[in-house]
Amino acid sequence: GAVVSQHPSWVICKSGTSVKIECRSLDFQATTMFWYRQFPKQSLMLMATSNEGSKATYEQGVEKDKFLINHASLTLSTLTVTSAHPEDSSFYICSARGTTQYFGPGTRLTVL
Amino acid sequence: QKEVEQDPGPLSVPEGAIVSLNCTYSNSAFQYFMWYRQYSRKGPELLMYTYSSGNKEDGRFTAQVDKSSKYISLFIRDSQPSDSATYLCAMSESQAGTALIFGKGTTLSVSS
Repeated sequence: GAVVSQHPSWVICKSGTSVKIECRSLDFQATTMFWYRQFPKQSLMLMATSNEGSKATYEQGVEKDKFLINHASLTLSTLTVTSAHPEDSSFYICSARGTTQYFGPGTRLTVL
Repeated sequence: QKEVEQDPGPLSVPEGAIVSLNCTYSNSAFQYFMWYRQYSRKGPELLMYTYSSGNKEDGRFTAQVDKSSKYISLFIRDSQPSDSATYLCAMSESQAGTALIFGKGTTLSVSS
């Protein structure tokens, strides 16, 4: 099946710093990628839809100035959590659209 | 009422049992139905992908969709300890074109 990678797999940062998470489709081109967030024992919640070459579409309640998304190529989308706070600590998962959606392995962010 | 309802469990069964996992939904526009398996601290892995109503079988897994009842099921035959994971149902209105709406996930534990 299609492979999607994420980097880093986990990150710990201090409150107030910014963190960038990369999502790559390794063996296919993805014009659309999705970013999800998952809190413990909760389901995946869509944060934003990322389209190559255009602005991301954010879900209601997700601050676009805090969660910056860049989809600069057909194989790479990045999510930058700016001025991270402890409440941003979560599991961030991306998916890339192929014949269906293929998910990355996730990035665990811990903000101290 | 949430769009997708899924009993979070946990569900504990002995090895070799038949497992039945279910989701109900309210949006009649959903056409594509998926089941994902998620191990702890990992991204979701696609197990089954079906379109509209009917059954689909893949090895020990069978997915059923009943659009008239807005009800989908995943059956696991001859369950193994390695099947212990969280199972997420997901659905969308179009083929991977829109973001997936997930259930909360059912945690399954298969004991040897």
